[in-house]
Amino acid sequence: AQSVTQLDSQVPVFEEAPVELRCNYSSSVSVYLFWYVQYPNQGLQLLLKYLSGSTLVKGINGFEAEFNKSQTSFHLRKPSVHISDTAEYFCAVGRPDSGGYQKVTFGTGTKLQVIP
Amino acid sequence: GAGVSQSPRYKVAKRGQDVALRCDPISGHVSLFWYQQALGQGPEFLTYFQNEAQLDKSGLPSDRFFAERPEGSVSTLKIQRTQQEDSAVYLCASSPRENTEAFFGQGTRLTVV
Repeated sequence: AQSVTQLDSQVPVFEEAPVELRCNYSSSVSVYLFWYVQYPNQGLQLLLKYLSGSTLVKGINGFEAEFNKSQTSFHLRKPSVHISDTAEYFCAVGRPDSGGYQKVTFGTGTKLQVIP
Repeated sequence: GAGVSQSPRYKVAKRGQDVALRCDPISGHVSLFWYQQALGQGPEFLTYFQNEAQLDKSGLPSDRFFAERPEGSVSTLKIQRTQQEDSAVYLCASSPRENTEAFFGQGTRLTVV
C-alpha cells in the first residue's frame, strides 16, 4: 500500500517570497511522484513529476521539487511566488500496476495563499 | 474540444435518486480514470478503463456505483440510490497510453440532499 502526507493544509506567503510545500510518502515499492495544482473551479493540472534519474525536478510556472529517498520526501519549492500561484496543491504517488497503468494516491492538499 | 470534458458540471440529487455522470476524454486516449474528491480531501481512485475494458474497479465504494465505457471513448459513472455520503466532486482523467501523464477534467460536483 502507498500513502501521501501533506502536513500543511494552508500556507500563507507574501508575494515575491519563497515557498516550500511539504510532502512525505510511504510505499513498499518504487514509485513515481507528482505534484498537481488545482485552481478554483478547474481540474487538476500536472506541475511536475519524478519517474527516475535526477532527484531535482523542474516543472511549469517556476516550480521545482526534490526527491529524497532517505527521507521519503518530495517537497515543492518556488523561489518567488506570484498572486497567480494562489491555488491548492496536491502531492501524489503512483505505482506502476501490472495492468500497465499508474494507480495514483493523492494527499489531502495544501492551499497556498499568496498575500499582496 | 481539446481537453477532458465532464457533464453536468453540477448535479443536485434527492437521496435515493439515480444519477449518471458523463466523461468525454481527449480523442484517442486509451486510458480513462474516475476519481472521487470529497470536500477537503484529495481525489481518491475509483476505477480504470483501458479502451472499453474495465481493468480495475477496486476503488468503487459500493455496488451502487457502476462505470462503463462501451465503445472505448465516452464513459459514464452511474450511482444508484444516492446517499448523502456520495456528495463529492467526481473527476475524470484520460491519458494517451499506459503509464503516461493523465489529463483531468473540471469535474462534476454532486450534492445529495
